[in-house]
Amino acid sequence: GESVGLHLPTLSVQEGDNSIINCAYSNSASDYFIWYKQESGKGPQFIIDIRSNMDKRQGQRVTVLLNKTVKHLSLQIAATQPGDSAVYFCAENIEKGGNKLTFGGGTRVLVKP
Amino acid sequence: DAGVIQSPRHEVTEMGQEVTLRCKPISGHDYLFWYRQTMMRGLELLIYFNNNVPIDDSGMPEDRFSAKMPNASFSTLKIQPSEPRDSAVYFCASSLSLELADTQYFGPGTRLTVL
Repeated sequence: GESVGLHLPTLSVQEGDNSIINCAYSNSASDYFIWYKQESGKGPQFIIDIRSNMDKRQGQRVTVLLNKTVKHLSLQIAATQPGDSAVYFCAENIEKGGNKLTFGGGTRVLVKP
Repeated sequence: DAGVIQSPRHEVTEMGQEVTLRCKPISGHDYLFWYRQTMMRGLELLIYFNNNVPIDDSGMPEDRFSAKMPNASFSTLKIQPSEPRDSAVYFCASSLSLELADTQYFGPGTRLTVL
């Protein structure tokens, strides 16, 4: 598969443990944020999103936290599984009322059995 | 639904040659996006279309790049002439609308290598 990035920050986590992936965004006016997961050889896949009027949103095994004060976004994965090994990207919507996304650099998650 | 379809999946060409990448968005989606992904610059938006009309091409790197969408089910990204620095993975994505929180669905990408 394609090499997404040889110099990505990497998070190694033991199978079954919780993972926390962090992201700092750039635009204080951004009003919508998304986390994508990209597996080797595939395109980014939507995981979860959050609007700026919220500070927490939960999905299946995933939780996104938004701290607008410090422009910080995090993705928590509960009970990490081998299938969670991938590169994770945060993206922010930089267009008011629109859907033009700017992506962060990504974090590689490696799940150890 | 088959999702966003891109072809070819891999393309190897020589510097100076014309390259055409193809995309079929999800049926019914009004918005189509072209992205480029490299190790150095990450994932970058090149251009997006609404109802087959280019809306924002500010991310297109230079005149060697052009994109078209002749109908609702097909788009092309062309590079002419290609250069080694164009080597990257090119993704196409589509969404139902451009409203806030409307998910962009990505295709599998085309890995372009320019020798």
